[in-house]
Amino acid sequence: GENVEQHPSTLSVQEGDSAVIKCTYSDSASNYFPWYKQELGKGPQLIIDIRSNVGEKKDQRIAVTLNKTAKHFSLHITETQPEDSAVYFCASGNFNKFYFGSGTKLNVKP
Amino acid sequence: EAGVAQSPRYKIIEKRQSVAFWCNPISGHATLYWYQQILGQGPKLLIQFQNNGVVDDSQLPKDRFSAERLKGVDSTLKIQPAKLEDSAVYLCASSQHPERTDTQYFGPGTRLTVL
Repeated sequence: GENVEQHPSTLSVQEGDSAVIKCTYSDSASNYFPWYKQELGKGPQLIIDIRSNVGEKKDQRIAVTLNKTAKHFSLHITETQPEDSAVYFCASGNFNKFYFGSGTKLNVKP
Repeated sequence: EAGVAQSPRYKIIEKRQSVAFWCNPISGHATLYWYQQILGQGPKLLIQFQNNGVVDDSQLPKDRFSAERLKGVDSTLKIQPAKLEDSAVYLCASSQHPERTDTQYFGPGTRLTVL
């Protein structure tokens, strides 16, 4: 089955700095790559996603890049704010079967 | 649009007891998923329904876990008997389009503690 690896497991940045989280996947058939934000006591919330026919997607301060050849994708958050502090999960999907990474705990220090 | 609803939010039981969780997906969503999220890990799929049929239950421990989605809307997940290692958050998710890879929307989860 698919194997998704996510790094780093924890990330601490100063408010206003950028944060980058990286994931790799193993199944070349995967064609959908969502990123979820999970706050304490809540379910994962989709923040951005990208499909395999696109190399980059941006939504305000958040961007995702995908390199299908290398089988890796990354989440970029610019101008981080304290409310960005949460656990972020990447996932790879193929026809509605999702495999999740182990999560990155992001701490944005004011 | 209302999101995915789950209840209860928290449950504490002793090992060997039974427990059931309930999920109501987003209206009109054909596909419903149950995930298990152990502390410090990403969600792991237990079972996937399309309407009221099971699409994938390969990761469901069928000796103790069961799930149903009668009438293709609400779903229940049951554990009987529970083990200590079942302590986790049980997440329900739904998606709209079964014919293609589609966004999954998650509920708030049920945190289960087995003592």
